Amino acid sequence: DIVMTQSQKFMSTSVGDRVNITCKASQYVRTAVAWFQQKPGQSPKVLIYLASNRHTGVPDRFTGSGSGTDFTLTINNVQSEDLADYFCLQHWNYPLTFGAGTKLELK
Amino acid sequence: DVQLVESGGGLVQPGESRKLSCAASGFTFSSFGMHWVRQAPEKGLEWVAYISSGSSTIYYSDTVKGRFTISRDNPKNTLFLQMTSLRSEDTAMYYCARVPWDYWGQGTTLTVSS
Repeated sequence: DIVMTQSQKFMSTSVGDRVNITCKASQYVRTAVAWFQQKPGQSPKVLIYLASNRHTGVPDRFTGSGSGTDFTLTINNVQSEDLADYFCLQHWNYPLTFGAGTKLELK
Repeated sequence: DVQLVESGGGLVQPGESRKLSCAASGFTFSSFGMHWVRQAPEKGLEWVAYISSGSSTIYYSDTVKGRFTISRDNPKNTLFLQMTSLRSEDTAMYYCARVPWDYWGQGTTLTVSS
């Protein structure tokens, strides 16, 4: 199975900062990676699909990049509403696998 | 509007069975593959199963293979997850999600405990 490693379980930030949330695949997944945001008590919401494509309605401060095994979700000009859990997912091979998640918190 | 509404969760004892449903509306259900994803309390997301639009292709995670069965009734716009031999580690919020992950239900909670 492909392991998706989000090495930072927690990230501290301030409003207006830029943050990079990373995800590393244990093997090649081309660009078959999606990023999700989940707030407490809510279902996950897709932000980015195919590594770098922003889903409809997602603010352009969210950017995805990467291919192969290394992927990054960048949030520019962090807003208070961006404080949430972020998960990556590989859909290159079954079984599909999620990263363990990164919680974005205020400093 | 697209809606996915899960139901069927609750409290069950270890070893018992349960069937979850996901009622779809607002889109042509028969045209989309569907996933089940679960989330144990205070834990991350775990993909559980996938079924293609016409049910010809099905995949399971290793942790549920042989115990869970995904199915769908396209005329009734409903996705199912039949779960047997339930274990405490199956306790989670269960979500259905449409390919390509653009719509998720609100989830239904399953607790497996004696």
